[in-house]
Formats: sequence, C-alpha cells, structure tokens
Amino acid sequence: GENVEQHPSTLSVQEGDSAVIKCTYSDSASNYFPWYKQELGKRPQLIIDIRSNVGEKKDQRIAVTLNKTAKHFSLHITETQPEDSAVYFCAASTDYKLSFGAGTTVTVRA
Amino acid sequence: EAGVAQSPRYKIIEKRQSVAFWCNPISGHATLYWYQQILGQGPKLLIQFQNNGVVDDSQLPKDRFSAERLKGVDSTLKIQPAKLEDSAVYLCASSLGDGGTEAFFGQGTRLTVV
Repeated sequence: GENVEQHPSTLSVQEGDSAVIKCTYSDSASNYFPWYKQELGKRPQLIIDIRSNVGEKKDQRIAVTLNKTAKHFSLHITETQPEDSAVYFCAASTDYKLSFGAGTTVTVRA
Repeated sequence: EAGVAQSPRYKIIEKRQSVAFWCNPISGHATLYWYQQILGQGPKLLIQFQNNGVVDDSQLPKDRFSAERLKGVDSTLKIQPAKLEDSAVYLCASSLGDGGTEAFFGQGTRLTVV
C-alpha cells in the first residue's frame, strides 16, 4: 500500500517568515496530492491540491510543488501569520484511496 | 451545501463494551472513508466504500471493527469489544469518487475507552 512520509513533525517560524513542509510517497501510481490544515479540535480542511500532470500550483501565500520522478512534494507558506498555526497533513491518492502523512505542527511566533 | 454529518461528537465507554458511530456523507458523494486519528498522529484509513461496496479495508481490525454503508448513503462503524488503544477521533469523509477530488471531513467522534 501507499506510504506517505512527512517532515518535519514540528516547525516553529517567526511571523512573516516562510514555512516549508516536505512529503514523500511510495506508490508511483499516485496521481493526486492534497494538503489539509487541521486546527485544534476541528476537522481537516483542504487548503491546496495538485495533480500529477502539474509541477507547481500557487494560491496566494500557499504553493505546492511536485517532483514525480523523486516521488516527493512540498508545501510552501510565505509571509506566515498567526492564523497559519495548525497541523498540516499531506496526502497521496491512488485508485481513490487517500493516505495521509503523520502531520506537521506549525507554530507561528509573533 | 451541507457537510458531512457525524454522531455522536463524544463517547466514553468502558473497555470490552461496544460502540457505534454514524456518518451521513454529502449528497451525491459516492466514496466514503472512515479514518482513525490517534492524538498527535495523521488520519489512518480504516475502510473505504465506493457506493455500498468496500474498496479497501486492509487496515480495519476485523476481529473487533465492522462497518457498513446502507444503500450507498449513510454508514455506521462499530467496535465490539472496545480496547483502551481504540481511544481516538473517528473521522468520516466523503468525496465524489471519480478520483483526484477533494475529500470533505465530518467533525469526528472522539472516543475515550476507560
């Protein structure tokens, strides 16, 4: 089955700095890579996603890059703000099965 | 649109008791997932339905966990008997099911086994 590894497990950044989270996946058939944000006590919510035919996608301060050859993808958050503090999960989808990474706890320091 | 509904929100039971969780997916979503999220970890897929058929249940502890999806809509997840290590949040999610589409999550059920 699909194995998704995510690093780092925790990340502390100064407000205004950038944050980068990296994930690797094992199944070369994976074709959809969403990122979810989970605030404390709340449900995971999609913040950005990328498909295997695209190398990069950007949405305001958030961007995701995908390297299919190396089987890794990354989330980049620029100009971090206090409301970006949350747990972020990457995921990879194969045959509709959605497998998650272990999560990264991001703390933005004021 | 209405979101994924789950109940109950919280449940406390003693070990060896049984418990059931209910999920109502977004209307028209063919794919339904049940995830187990232990504190501090990512969601772990327990079972995935496509309409009312099981697509993947490889990580479902079948000796104690069972799930069904009636008429391809609502789903229930049952644990019998519960163990201490089953304490977790159980998340239900649904998607259109045509591959590569967003999964929408419910609020989850927080289970505490004492």
